[in-house]
Amino acid sequence: GNSVTQMEGPVTLSEEAFLTINCTYTATGYPSLFWYVQYPGEGLQLLLKATKADDKGSNKGFEATYRKETTSFHLEKGSVQVSDSAVYFCALSDRTGRRALTFGSGTRLQVQP
Amino acid sequence: DGGITQSPKYLFRKEGQNVTLSCEQNLNHDAMYWYRQDPGQGLRLIYYSQIVNDFQKGDIAEGYSVSREKKESFPLTVTSAQKNPTAFYLCASRAATSGNVDTGELFFGEGSRLTVL
Repeated sequence: GNSVTQMEGPVTLSEEAFLTINCTYTATGYPSLFWYVQYPGEGLQLLLKATKADDKGSNKGFEATYRKETTSFHLEKGSVQVSDSAVYFCALSDRTGRRALTFGSGTRLQVQP
Repeated sequence: DGGITQSPKYLFRKEGQNVTLSCEQNLNHDAMYWYRQDPGQGLRLIYYSQIVNDFQKGDIAEGYSVSREKKESFPLTVTSAQKNPTAFYLCASRAATSGNVDTGELFFGEGSRLTVL
């Protein structure tokens, strides 16, 4: 079945540091890939997505590239801010059947001033 | 504004009681989903519905029930059979696919936190 593996957190960085959160996946076929962000006490918001190999999703300074050869979708940001502190989830969507998202366990990011 | 509304935001339940969580969407989406979130475990799929009057079990359906009588509404009942119901529950929806490219993106509500006393 489908699965998503994320690096464990928490990840603690100083403001303006470079961020990488690793994500790898296992899936049949060609899934779409997503990064969602969750702020305390809230639901999930879509951060970025990629629907096919070599696509790069980007939003608010965050980027991730769909790498089919390494089955990865690592999240990066060149300079984090305190307001980026949240939990980040990598997810994939199967294109057939239930069309639900399969999530990783989430990575908590803490950015210190 | 279009979106997904979950209520209540916080709910306390005594053991042995059934509770129902509400999920309403005005996005005109066909598919709706319920997920459960526990600390450190990501989100797990409870039930989903691709169309009105039809729904399917997800990965952890035991102790839960749903209905889909209207396109806009997908309530979740947590029954007394659910052994460990304390969790954060998230409802989501997905756009219709006919005539459009379906990227698989889900839109989420703000969640309901259930605590069993």
